[in-house]
Amino acid sequence: DSGVTQTPKHLITATGQRVTLRCSPRSGDLSVYWYQQSLDQGLQFLIQYYNGEERAKGNILERFSAQQFPDLHSELNLSSLELGDSALYFCASSVGDRGGNYGYTFGSGTRLTVV
Amino acid sequence: GENVEQHPSTLSVQEGDSAVIKCTYSDSASNYFPWYKQELGKRPQLIIDIRSNVGEKKDQRIAVTLNKTAKHFSLHITETQPEDSAVYFCAVNTGGFKTIFGAGTRLFVKA
Repeated sequence: DSGVTQTPKHLITATGQRVTLRCSPRSGDLSVYWYQQSLDQGLQFLIQYYNGEERAKGNILERFSAQQFPDLHSELNLSSLELGDSALYFCASSVGDRGGNYGYTFGSGTRLTVV
Repeated sequence: GENVEQHPSTLSVQEGDSAVIKCTYSDSASNYFPWYKQELGKRPQLIIDIRSNVGEKKDQRIAVTLNKTAKHFSLHITETQPEDSAVYFCAVNTGGFKTIFGAGTRLFVKA
């Protein structure tokens, strides 16, 4: 157990639907990062939050949004789902806000399948 | 923005041999270089990291070297074992808010 909790582990939904992925960071970590990993692909950075504030955005689609709550857990909302959104979505956390100088601790991921 | 290239994409070695994976980056302000190992179906895990003020770091069978002038860093695994088989990702951070990952190297260690 890495200390980063992601739920659900698996999600199957139809095209056009909306889903919410949840992440609780490791105790003491203030930063949460979301990454998308498609089949046999690398880790694509989506978005970062630090202590409730958005700090950096990557190639995140407009159909996707995220937030970090006062208790530091984060949710990634994916709407108008398309087949191509099927992927493994990872949440990671770190103690600092700048990502640098601190390694990330990843959760086990949520596997999203859009049918 | 920062660009990270990782080579090779696939590497196959015999058990006991060494494996080397190399990454190049573009931003000279980059100052933190972690490596992650991802076993099949599992989460990426930090295995070693190096900061820009250090040229080499070792941890048992793995080591990372950094050449700031040439803007590249490498992961070295000695005496490879079947359990080293995984995808390895290099990553780079410039001190900013995000870390950029390389495309990954799939390492196969043949028994």
